[in-house]
Amino acid sequence: GENVEQHPSTLSVQEGDSAVIKCTYSDSASNYFPWYKQELGKRPQLIIDIRSNVGEKKDQRIAVTLNKTAKHFSLHITETQPEDSAVYFCAATSTISNFGNEKLTFGTGTRLTIIP
Amino acid sequence: DGGITQSPKYLFRKEGQNVTLSCEQNLNHDAMYWYRQDPGQGLRLIYYSQIVNDFQKGDIAEGYSVSREKKESFPLTVTSAQKNPTAFYLCASVRDRGYQPQHFGDGTRLSIL
Repeated sequence: GENVEQHPSTLSVQEGDSAVIKCTYSDSASNYFPWYKQELGKRPQLIIDIRSNVGEKKDQRIAVTLNKTAKHFSLHITETQPEDSAVYFCAATSTISNFGNEKLTFGTGTRLTIIP
Repeated sequence: DGGITQSPKYLFRKEGQNVTLSCEQNLNHDAMYWYRQDPGQGLRLIYYSQIVNDFQKGDIAEGYSVSREKKESFPLTVTSAQKNPTAFYLCASVRDRGYQPQHFGDGTRLSIL
């Protein structure tokens, strides 16, 4: 099955600096890669996603890059702000049924702390 | 998302007791999922259901059971066979097959008394 590794497990950056979180996946058939932000005790919320036919996607201060050959993808947050402090999860999809439904395999998370 | 409601928010289980976590969605989504979240381990899939009256085991189904009698409801029972049930449980749904981001409920935190 799919295996997703995420690094680092914790990350502290000065406010205004950039943060980068990296993930690798094992299943070359995976084709959809979302990133979630989770604040303490709350639900994960989708912040950006990328499909396998795209190498990079950007949404304001957040960007994701995908290298299918190397099977890794990264989250980049620029001009970090205190409200960016949270746990971030990467995930990769694999098909789990003949109906075409996907299963998300999650990384173990990165706790990002923005230092004012 | 307001379309997925999990209850209760906090739940306590006694030794040998079965407990049921509720998950209801009004998004008209076909597929529903249950995940378990432990500190430092991300989210792991317990069970999923693609259509009414059908469900499949995920990666860590032992000690859990589910039902899908209605499209909008997917309750999870944590049985006494689950020896380490303390975790944060998240329900999610997806509209249909395809690259849909999963919508999560607010979660239920289960603890052992």
